[in-house]
Amino acid sequence: DGGITQSPKYLFRKEGQNVTLSCEQNLNHDAMYWYRQDPGQGLRLIYYSQIVNDFQKGDIAEGYSVSREKKESFPLTVTSAQKNPTAFYLCASSRAGSNTDTQYFGPGTRLTVL
Amino acid sequence: AQSVTQLDSHVSVSEGTPVLLRCNYSSSYSPSLFWYVQHPNKGLQLLLKYTSAATLVKGINGFEAEFKKSETSFHLTKPSAHMSDAAEYFCVVSDVPRGSASKIIFGSGTRLSIRP
Repeated sequence: DGGITQSPKYLFRKEGQNVTLSCEQNLNHDAMYWYRQDPGQGLRLIYYSQIVNDFQKGDIAEGYSVSREKKESFPLTVTSAQKNPTAFYLCASSRAGSNTDTQYFGPGTRLTVL
Repeated sequence: AQSVTQLDSHVSVSEGTPVLLRCNYSSSYSPSLFWYVQHPNKGLQLLLKYTSAATLVKGINGFEAEFKKSETSFHLTKPSAHMSDAAEYFCVVSDVPRGSASKIIFGSGTRLSIRP
């Protein structure tokens, strides 16, 4: 099956701890994205990557970090600097970074910071 | 500057009646427009997209949307609602010419409820 996987589905962490969310795709897509979703709001872009070893900040990158060492993987680290990390995190990929490309989404990871 | 506004945060219709979810956008270029659907605690699934071809776009599950440049609208419709249509719907605008980094903006979402 082709698609995007995110793990874990639910994640609980203590305040002040860094945590890494996994995102893997086997669609052979060049571009990958991380979004944050809060209740009653649309998705907000955290980081995106159009090719391996390159990534760009989105609208709310503060307190987050990413890497893109492999085409199929784009992990997101939520650092202790993120003031309000509890949210639903969605990873997506697209064939390239063109504005006409469809984004395909993973099932999401719900992060709760205690 | 680009933006997208979903005019209703919640829409409730009876099963079997038409659905209308409204979306207005602004864009400095020739935008691509998308509608995605999200069921609770799930990722988003593409319903349909407009990319400067036919202005009436047909999608999955009987949904369609019409791109109206003069009204800067991209409303989503379905002739007859089904209980399984209950979900959150997002209108998305994306512009910047091909070959450049695209800018993607999500609307705040419309929650669709279906009454039996």
